[in-house]
Amino acid sequence: GAGVSQSPSNKVTEKGKDVELRCDPISGHTALYWYRQRLGQGLEFLIYFQGNSAPDKSGLPSDRFSAERTGESVSTLTIQRTQQEDSAVYLCASSLGPRRYEQYFGPGTRLTVT
Amino acid sequence: AQRVTQPEKLLSVFKGAPVELKCNYSYSGSPELFWYVQYSRQRLQLLLRHISRESIKGFTADLNKGETSFHLKKPFAQEEDSAMYYCALGAAGNKLTFGGGTRVLVKP
Repeated sequence: GAGVSQSPSNKVTEKGKDVELRCDPISGHTALYWYRQRLGQGLEFLIYFQGNSAPDKSGLPSDRFSAERTGESVSTLTIQRTQQEDSAVYLCASSLGPRRYEQYFGPGTRLTVT
Repeated sequence: AQRVTQPEKLLSVFKGAPVELKCNYSYSGSPELFWYVQYSRQRLQLLLRHISRESIKGFTADLNKGETSFHLKKPFAQEEDSAMYYCALGAAGNKLTFGGGTRVLVKP
């Protein structure tokens, strides 16, 4: 079956603009995660969804970042008033459920803020 | 709070030589440890997990709770092992905490 998909694959935006990143998890996966990977660094957790609720938002770096999820389906990560330090690859992952740590990753969205 | 440390950013070995990627973690409870791998132009994928105690693609990793380590080893590296490797810790709260990654380059 299809894996996790993300769109767009690349996004270049001007500083101060808002961006929306989309993630389609594997069908049947109730858990969904967003991570950020800055150049040369490891993955940084942003937010976790179980169904359409977000019990762990502890990694969102500021109130410019928000995310939502529709049921057990698509999720969007929104960054408002983008800054140059937001430039990174944003990765989405899904898993079968809580405490199912085998996560399946999407290809990522490379965001460049100019 | 949990933390994962991979002290080597780059490991360069010759084909057929052993390779060991170090991973140390800090966590007060009972963690689950994983190794994820990202080959060139591919997405991040699970390589192995400590609870399975399995060997995948010739790689093994043993959880040493006394030393809080989960090093990844392969006795004879192959060129196709060249990739980025991430150690990850799963603990309460469902998220994975990743180390900074180690790039492995296997030279012919």
